[in-house]
Amino acid sequence: QSALTQPPSASGSPGQSVTISCTGTSSDVGGYNYVSWYQQHPGKAPKLMIYDVSKRPSGVPDRFSGSKSGNTASLTVSGLQAEDEADYYCNSYAGNNNWVFGGGTRLTVL
Amino acid sequence: QVQLVQSGAEVKKPGASVKVSCKASRYTFTGYYMHWVRQAPGQGLEWMGWINPNSGGTNYAQKFQGRVTMTRDTSISTAYMELSRLRSDDTSIYYCGASVVGDFHFDYWGQGTLVTVSS
Repeated sequence: QSALTQPPSASGSPGQSVTISCTGTSSDVGGYNYVSWYQQHPGKAPKLMIYDVSKRPSGVPDRFSGSKSGNTASLTVSGLQAEDEADYYCNSYAGNNNWVFGGGTRLTVL
Repeated sequence: QVQLVQSGAEVKKPGASVKVSCKASRYTFTGYYMHWVRQAPGQGLEWMGWINPNSGGTNYAQKFQGRVTMTRDTSISTAYMELSRLRSDDTSIYYCGASVVGDFHFDYWGQGTLVTVSS
C-alpha cells in the first residue's frame, strides 16, 4: 500500500485561505468516502480535524473544511491564523481493514 | 473526555523486541478499535495495524506482518503493540489511536512512546 501524495509544504498570510491536496487511487481515496485529516504541532500527538471527507468534529473551527473529487481529497483552511501553522496529514481507508496516510504537508503562516 | 496513556520511552538493541502499552480510560474500551501508528524522526505518520478490543481480531499493514503483534487485556482496558526483530530504522514515536467501532478515522490519540533502537 503506497502512501498518499501530499505537497511537502504550503503557505499563506494571516486571513488568507490555503488548500492542501491529497492524491491517492481508486483503491483508497477514490473508492471510499473515508478520508480524514490530522493536524500535528511539533512534539505533539496528531489531532483529528476532518473525517468522512468533509465532517468536522466538535470543537474544530469551521475555518477548516474538506472535500473530494475523484482520487484527490483536499483540506482548505480559511482565514489563516498563526496557530494553524502545523503539519497536516491526510488518511484514507484502503479496504480490507487497511488504512494509509499521506506524506504530510507543513503549513507555514507567513 | 477519552484518555489514552502510553508506556514510557524504551531503548532497545537491534534484534530485540519491544512492547508498548496504551491504557484507555473514560470510555467503554470494547467500543473502540485501537490502531497503532508510528512516526520516524522528522518523518510522516505510518499506519501499522489495528485490533478489535471486543474480539481480539487484528489486521496488520503488510510491511509489518510477521514482526508485529497487537493484543489487548480488556480487564484493565489496555492495548499492546509488540514489534520484534528491531532494526535501527524502527526508531520512531509509536502512537495508539482509538476509533469508534464502525468509524474509519482516529478520534483520540495517546501521547506517543519513543522507541530508540541502537547498539
